[in-house]
Amino acid sequence: AQKVTQAQTEISVVEKEDVTLDCVYETRDTTYYLFWYKQPPSGELVFLIRRNSFDEQNEISGRYSWNFQKSTSSFNFTITASQVVDSAVYFCALSEAGESNFGNEKLTFGTGTRLTIIP
Amino acid sequence: DAGVTQSPTHLIKTRGQQVTLRCSPKSGHDTVSWYQQALGQGPQFIFQYYEEEERQRGNFPDRFSGHQFPNYSSELNVNALLLGDSALYLCASSFATQGNTGELFFGEGSRLTVL
Repeated sequence: AQKVTQAQTEISVVEKEDVTLDCVYETRDTTYYLFWYKQPPSGELVFLIRRNSFDEQNEISGRYSWNFQKSTSSFNFTITASQVVDSAVYFCALSEAGESNFGNEKLTFGTGTRLTIIP
Repeated sequence: DAGVTQSPTHLIKTRGQQVTLRCSPKSGHDTVSWYQQALGQGPQFIFQYYEEEERQRGNFPDRFSGHQFPNYSSELNVNALLLGDSALYLCASSFATQGNTGELFFGEGSRLTVL
């Protein structure tokens, strides 16, 4: 069975500080995908990134960066120089590769980390 | 370009009633997935529809059923409502091609309260 653990329930930091959100996952599959989604107060989930299990290269997108380590089954997300607009709930998610076209749509989400950026 | 739209945004039902939630996918998308998000929890996969058929299903009872129409829109039906069905119901759309990015586009959800 797949499982995603986000141990940090809530984090508060002062604006411009860096913050790292932790994600640990469990799966028996050798091929899988990891995701991060942002959920603002409006409710919709906003896609941030997708990584497959064969690509451990870290990725940077502006102030966002992701650290994928298969050895520790972790996929952590860092926001550099945080801004008030970053305040939201962030979800880490996992999906199997699947044998069909449909594997990627069945995501297992963690319980989320509520991030508050204090002005 | 309209994103994923869901209706209604909020609704209140009583135990035992039935509810229908609606979703229009993002333009160009042909696959719709439904998720249930209880308060303070992560979304849980209910099922997915493609070509008007249920393709995958999560661990939800048969009280939860769905439908996809030829225009790719979808409905989620829940019968015999329980208090525990109170949640935000999220619809997500995608385009079912081999090697798709797995980027699901979510709507803002329908918040169901069961009294």
